[in-house]
Amino acid sequence: QQQVKQSPQSLIVQKGGISIINCAYENTAFDYFPWYQQFPGKGPALLIAIRPDVSEKKEGRFTISFNKSAKQFSLHIMDSQPGDSATYFCAAKGAYGGSQGNLIFGKGTKLSVKP
Amino acid sequence: EAGVTQFPSHSVIEKGQTVTLRCDPISGHDNLYWYRRVMGKEIKFLLHFVKESKQDESGMPNNRFLAERTGGTYSTLKVQPAELEDSGVYFCASSRVVGDRGGTQYFGPGTRLTVL
Repeated sequence: QQQVKQSPQSLIVQKGGISIINCAYENTAFDYFPWYQQFPGKGPALLIAIRPDVSEKKEGRFTISFNKSAKQFSLHIMDSQPGDSATYFCAAKGAYGGSQGNLIFGKGTKLSVKP
Repeated sequence: EAGVTQFPSHSVIEKGQTVTLRCDPISGHDNLYWYRRVMGKEIKFLLHFVKESKQDESGMPNNRFLAERTGGTYSTLKVQPAELEDSGVYFCASSRVVGDRGGTQYFGPGTRLTVL
């Protein structure tokens, strides 16, 4: 049973375009939703994160949109650049209490930005 | 500040052999996590240490996997005996404090394990 569903599996975007990756979750106890970016040969690195008390968070060209009622969140990359080509993972985590420290990941989206 | 390091970066072993993976977290990080990504699937949680104690090992697949964290510093993950389905990339992550609600987890580069 997959608790965080991510789509699409792969995405090709032209330079300057908008990349959109979507995630949906099941567990309403999740209260922290990070996006990780992974380049080949490297580990995932935190890109941007949101908590469910806000509907949008923007950091530079990266924006998370969050829809609590639909249990969905998405990553938008504006003005996509070839250097953004990487695998992106959405994740979720429960409120810390006892053992709920682990992240639950989506399957990842491989983004290619064409020059 | 040095990041999370993992050793080895790659390991190729035969079914039935033993392999030990090592993780050195960021200095001062009490929380240490192990995750695994099997090809084409999501990154899955294996276990969580707080200092030297196992906080949550609910993701460990079976008793062929043994994790330790000596003195609350580095951690090892031993697979004995290895099976074909153990192949994948094993990530280690660490975060600063216990009870940090957000608790940014910093990931190492991973160990790619191939069991033949």
